[in-house]
Amino acid sequence: AQSVTQLGSHVSVSEGALVLLRCNYSSSVPPYLFWYVQYPNQGLQLLLKYTSAATLVKGINGFEAEFKKSETSFHLTKPSAHMSDAAEYFCAVSEGFGNEKLTFGTGTRLTIIP
Amino acid sequence: EAGVTQFPSHSVIEKGQTVTLRCDPISGHDNLYWYRRVMGKEIKFLLHFVKESKQDESGMPNNRFLAERTGGTYSTLKVQPAELEDSGVYFCASSQEKSLGIEETQYFGPGTRLLVL
Repeated sequence: AQSVTQLGSHVSVSEGALVLLRCNYSSSVPPYLFWYVQYPNQGLQLLLKYTSAATLVKGINGFEAEFKKSETSFHLTKPSAHMSDAAEYFCAVSEGFGNEKLTFGTGTRLTIIP
Repeated sequence: EAGVTQFPSHSVIEKGQTVTLRCDPISGHDNLYWYRRVMGKEIKFLLHFVKESKQDESGMPNNRFLAERTGGTYSTLKVQPAELEDSGVYFCASSQEKSLGIEETQYFGPGTRLLVL
């Protein structure tokens, strides 16, 4: 069985500061990993995904995440926070091919302090 | 290109009533998924259609939930009778058929917020 742990249900950072959202996963097979973002009153939007190619994955809006197998982590980072980054972020894992259902973490709500 | 759409956006019903949620996937997407987020908890998988067939329904909570996808286009999720614990946000997602071994992205709709009183 797969699982995802997101440390910190709420994270606040100042505008211009580094954003770091943590995600650890558990999977019995090589995982596919995803970060989704949900802005208020909208659906989930894919930020980036890891599918066994490069371990450093670049996504939209300046976000990136690094797959670290030894640490079973897939933390999301952005060098400089912007007010528009305020949203809820979800880390998810799937086994892929034949079992594509996503297993999500509980989400992290990111607040940007002006 | 239109995204995944869901109807209604909100629904408030009383315990024991029936509610039907609808999802229209992106045109041409064979895969359709239903997920649910109960307040304060994680988003959980309910089931997966490939065209009109149920590929995986391991996440369906009980037999009060019935999902259909007639003709492999839109899908409905019916809850009958609704219970208080069914309250939450129901998300639908769709993706293309896999090709060349590539993991296809799931595109999500805005969700239906269901409140059972």
